[in-house]
Amino acid sequence: EAQVTQNPRYLITVTGKKLTVTCSQNMNHEYMSWYRQDPGLGLRQIYYSMNVEVTDKGDVPEGYKVSRKEKRNFPLILESPSPNQTSLYFCASSLSAYTGELFFGEGSRLTVL
Amino acid sequence: GQQLNQSPQSMFIQEGEDVSMNCTSSSIFNTWLWYKQEPGEGPVLLIALYKAGELTSNGRLTAQFGITRKDSFLNISASIPSDVGIYFCAGPFLNSGGSNYKLTFGKGTLLTVNP
Repeated sequence: EAQVTQNPRYLITVTGKKLTVTCSQNMNHEYMSWYRQDPGLGLRQIYYSMNVEVTDKGDVPEGYKVSRKEKRNFPLILESPSPNQTSLYFCASSLSAYTGELFFGEGSRLTVL
Repeated sequence: GQQLNQSPQSMFIQEGEDVSMNCTSSSIFNTWLWYKQEPGEGPVLLIALYKAGELTSNGRLTAQFGITRKDSFLNISASIPSDVGIYFCAGPFLNSGGSNYKLTFGKGTLLTVNP
């Protein structure tokens, strides 16, 4: 089954404790992206990757890091989480950024105390 | 970042009514997309539009790519309770360096359907 898998789905952590949210897709997609969703703000892009080893900042990259060492994986790293990073995070992938036809994961709800 | 202005922010309608929502931008887009997000899930693509003036249907859903390439409309006919969710417009555009495409989303329209 074609899918985008995120882990963990739910996480409560404390300020400053490094964490990684993993994302994996099995569709051989070139393009992958991370979004955060907050009430009233819609989906805001954090980072995206056109292909392996090619990443670029989205609209809200501060406090996040990403890497794309393999085509299928695109982890999101919070080196020192803060309460303002409490949010619902979505990973998505697409055959091509130009078409915009994204497949989304089920989301990861992160709470930073 | 690039902004897509989506309206209305929310809608409360009765089952059977038709729904219309739209999305505008100050920039030209070559692609317009409409997604739906149901509670507790990730967004799912409903319709993709690739040509100015294009009108595309998917069951009770109809979307149009505006002639100016700066807007798009989504209509839902004869709404049913399972239409409940958040509807997002989205579009890809080149980043400031001209090397990569970013996919930007509107803030969404929350649709509630009363049975």
